[in-house]
Amino acid sequence: QQQVKQSPQSLIVQKGGISIINCAYENTAFDYFPWYQQFPGKGPALLIAIRPDVSEKKEGRFTISFNKSAKQFSLHIMDSQPGDSATYFCAASVSSGTYKYIFGTGTRLKVLA
Amino acid sequence: DAGITQSPRHKVTETGTPVTLRCHQTENHRYMYWYRQDPGHGLRLIHYSYGVKDTDKGEVSDGYSVSRSKTEDFLLTLESATSSQTSVYFCAIQPGDSGANVLTFGAGSRLTVL
Repeated sequence: QQQVKQSPQSLIVQKGGISIINCAYENTAFDYFPWYQQFPGKGPALLIAIRPDVSEKKEGRFTISFNKSAKQFSLHIMDSQPGDSATYFCAASVSSGTYKYIFGTGTRLKVLA
Repeated sequence: DAGITQSPRHKVTETGTPVTLRCHQTENHRYMYWYRQDPGHGLRLIHYSYGVKDTDKGEVSDGYSVSRSKTEDFLLTLESATSSQTSVYFCAIQPGDSGANVLTFGAGSRLTVL
């Protein structure tokens, strides 16, 4: 029940295309869903996050879509650029207690020029 | 990686030797975490701390111990390193205030156990 399942494991997209990464969770107590971006040799960095009281959040070319009833959320990268090539992790946590995050297994995105 | 420093950044050691990784923060955040990152497994929690001398186990804590004697420092110790502990280790910090969930990671420590 604590798992967050992420897919696909890897993704290749042409420059200008849309990249879509999906995550699913089981624990309905989760109330914070961030996405992290990691470049080679660096630590993960917060990209965008959503709470379950909204169905979508957009920041620039990055959008989180959230489906509470299906217990799924996804990251959409519009107009994908070679600079977006990185590993993306979804996560889920509960906003109480120790705030521990449960991470997905990651998606390696490559955007072709 | 502002406000959080990991050391060493790279280490090669031999099976059976003790290893200590250090995480230092200047943000005065309450929560500190140690994760390991392995291909196909993502980020897995080893141990975490919710205050000075207050620590608890994560999902992959076997073979690891931690200590936090000061707010700013969180140490991860491998008492007797094994090849299965070859990994990239990340420290993370978190404010702990209500609604302030943001987890900030360090740059990582790459450990190779021969």
